[in-house]
Amino acid sequence: GAVVSQHPSRVICKSGTSVKIECRSLDFQATTMFWYRQFPKQSLMLMATSNEGSKATYEQGVEKDKFLINHASLTLSTLTVTSAHPEDSSFYICSARGGQGQSYNEQFFGPGTRLTVL
Amino acid sequence: AQSVSQHNHHVILSEAASLELGCNYSYGGTVNLFWYVQYPGQHLQLLLKYFSGDPLVKGIKGFEAEFIKSKFSFNLRKPSVQWSDTAEYFCAVKGAAGNKLTFGGGTRVLVKP
Repeated sequence: GAVVSQHPSRVICKSGTSVKIECRSLDFQATTMFWYRQFPKQSLMLMATSNEGSKATYEQGVEKDKFLINHASLTLSTLTVTSAHPEDSSFYICSARGGQGQSYNEQFFGPGTRLTVL
Repeated sequence: AQSVSQHNHHVILSEAASLELGCNYSYGGTVNLFWYVQYPGQHLQLLLKYFSGDPLVKGIKGFEAEFIKSKFSFNLRKPSVQWSDTAEYFCAVKGAAGNKLTFGGGTRVLVKP
C-alpha cells in the first residue's frame, strides 16, 4: 500500500513555457502533499506543503507565482512551473501523507519528475 | 529551525564489510526520525523510522538505527553489506507535532563486489 505516482517522469520544454507535474496517491487519501526539489548530488529541499482544499504553504525563497500548486482532491496535487527557465531544470519529487492511522506520520514519495528546460 | 547533518558524503566499502552512517539533528522538541534510501534511478524508499519506544529500530534489508537522545543522533548500521546496497542514504527528521520533513545532505554508498 501507500503508493504515490508522478506524471510525467521526464519532461523537456522550451524556455518560457509552463509545465504541469501531477502527483497522485493511488491507494490512500492524502490530506497533505509535499513538493521537493532535488539538485544533482544534493539533498531534497522542501518547496511547499499543500493541504487538500486550501492554499499551499511555501518555504522561504520559493516563488509562489512561479511554482503554482493545486491540491484539488485527496488524491491529486499538481505543480505547475510557470515561464520555465533553464535554472528551473531539476528533479521534482512529491510526497503524500495520509490523514489517519500509521500513514499520518509518514510521507510516501513519488518517483520524481526530471524537468529539463532548454 | 530544524536541521540534519550527515557526516559522510561518500562511503566506499567492500561486500561483507560493516556500514555505519552518522546522522545528527538539531531540533528543540520531540522528533520523528527516518532513514530513506534512493537506489540508482529509483525513488526514495523508507528504510526505517523512529517515533517512540525502543531506541534501537530495525528496518528492512537488515538495516538498523539507534536513537541516542542525549547525542541528538540517529546512526544507521548494517553488519554486512551487499553490492545491492549501493545507493544514496538520507536521514530525515520531523517534529512530532509538525508537518515538515527536513533531510540531511545524503551519503552515497558504493559497495564493491
